[in-house]
Amino acid sequence: ETGVTQTPRHLVMGMTNKKSLKCEQHLGHNAMYWYKQSAKKPLELMFVYSLEERVENNSVPSRFSPECPNSSHLFLHLHTLQPEDSALYLCASSQVTQGKSDTQYFGPGTRLTVL
Amino acid sequence: EDQVTQSPEALRLQEGESSSLNCSYTVSGLRGLFWYRQDPGKGPEFLFTLYSAGEEKEKERLKATLTKKESFLHITAPKPEDSATYLCAVYNDYKLSFGAGTTVTVRA
Repeated sequence: ETGVTQTPRHLVMGMTNKKSLKCEQHLGHNAMYWYKQSAKKPLELMFVYSLEERVENNSVPSRFSPECPNSSHLFLHLHTLQPEDSALYLCASSQVTQGKSDTQYFGPGTRLTVL
Repeated sequence: EDQVTQSPEALRLQEGESSSLNCSYTVSGLRGLFWYRQDPGKGPEFLFTLYSAGEEKEKERLKATLTKKESFLHITAPKPEDSATYLCAVYNDYKLSFGAGTTVTVRA
């Protein structure tokens, strides 16, 4: 595997379900990100982890819970979602040096549909 | 707050018909302007980074330029395979702030 991978690629869930999205980066980076992409809207930054510490939580509802066990893996735990949470969820990684991030590389995304 | 505006929202071109996409931005301290290409149902693919006004970068039929307030992505003699959504983003601290994108369709 190369680059940034995400699983599953597609997910359909009911509002009472609990599911998790997984992201893995094979680039040796030290920062990982979750973005939400809704139709016709710009990508929205949700969470940032740098050196496995969360450094950004962009006013995201608590029904989204991130986890970063190490610098290569990132999870997004989902519970009691709403239909408006249906979107493409993108993971990205980059190398951060002295507080400055290099280019962010994206995974293919998970298409989430909440019924 | 950082703001990124891309225009036009959609662009339909005939194969070989050159054109330009615009990205205007407002940011407190620009640390980089990024262009990505995104195909339907896929993640954004990195194209270019520009750091200072006057900088230009080229890749195949694409050329990106940067001024103090905007960036242009020029597509020269496009082919159908250049059809995609092109995203512009500005970098400040850890954050990439994205525009809504320009969807380019190139007809053979």
